Amino acid sequence: AAGVIQSPRHLIKEKRETATLKCYPIPRHDTVYWYQQGPGQDPQFLISFYEKMQSDKGSIPDRFSAQQFSDYHSELNMSSLELGDSALYFCASSRTSASYNSPLHFGNGTRLTVT
Amino acid sequence: AQSVTQLDSQVPVFEEAPVELRCNYSSSVSVYLFWYVQYPNQGLQLLLKYLSGSTLVKGINGFEAEFNKSQTSFHLRKPSVHISDTAEYFCAARGTASKLTFGTGTRLQVTL
Repeated sequence: AAGVIQSPRHLIKEKRETATLKCYPIPRHDTVYWYQQGPGQDPQFLISFYEKMQSDKGSIPDRFSAQQFSDYHSELNMSSLELGDSALYFCASSRTSASYNSPLHFGNGTRLTVT
Repeated sequence: AQSVTQLDSQVPVFEEAPVELRCNYSSSVSVYLFWYVQYPNQGLQLLLKYLSGSTLVKGINGFEAEFNKSQTSFHLRKPSVHISDTAEYFCAARGTASKLTFGTGTRLQVTL
């Protein structure tokens, strides 16, 4: 079965640079979520989109922005990168239109390293 | 808002022994509960979920969990663990809002 696809798998950037992470949800999934997982930490919710509109917002820094496109894929844009942004970034998708408590399916993540 | 507590940061266990990973939640509204497993350098894989109905839910890889409303718990169990079960396990809760709130995780370390 198709899973959530994230690209790139690994990304190395320098401080103050920008980064763009991409997420392709499972087909027919209409909701995308972004999570950040620091080393040895639990995943922290950043932001979510339902039908291309922002549906919820968590602890996402103002330097970050995200959007969901007409094909339901999503991109997380990160600017003015800081060392503390180094983390594993997960995207998850679900089919809210089927059931609002449908499980989230996670991608394998993008490991961002800021040097 | 929901909060999820996993009191055990690490659980060492011998292979073929039973294991229980504890999870407690707090919520003032209906809550949906999940267990995810994360293998090293991998994403989060859904083990099982409780949405409604039977309080004993069975998941993949021989795991099961029991929803206990009076104790606000959703402990994960397996009667006999294998070396390959070594991983980080996250309990998560979701209410009427769309986002999933995770516990801090429990590292299950299975040894021979």
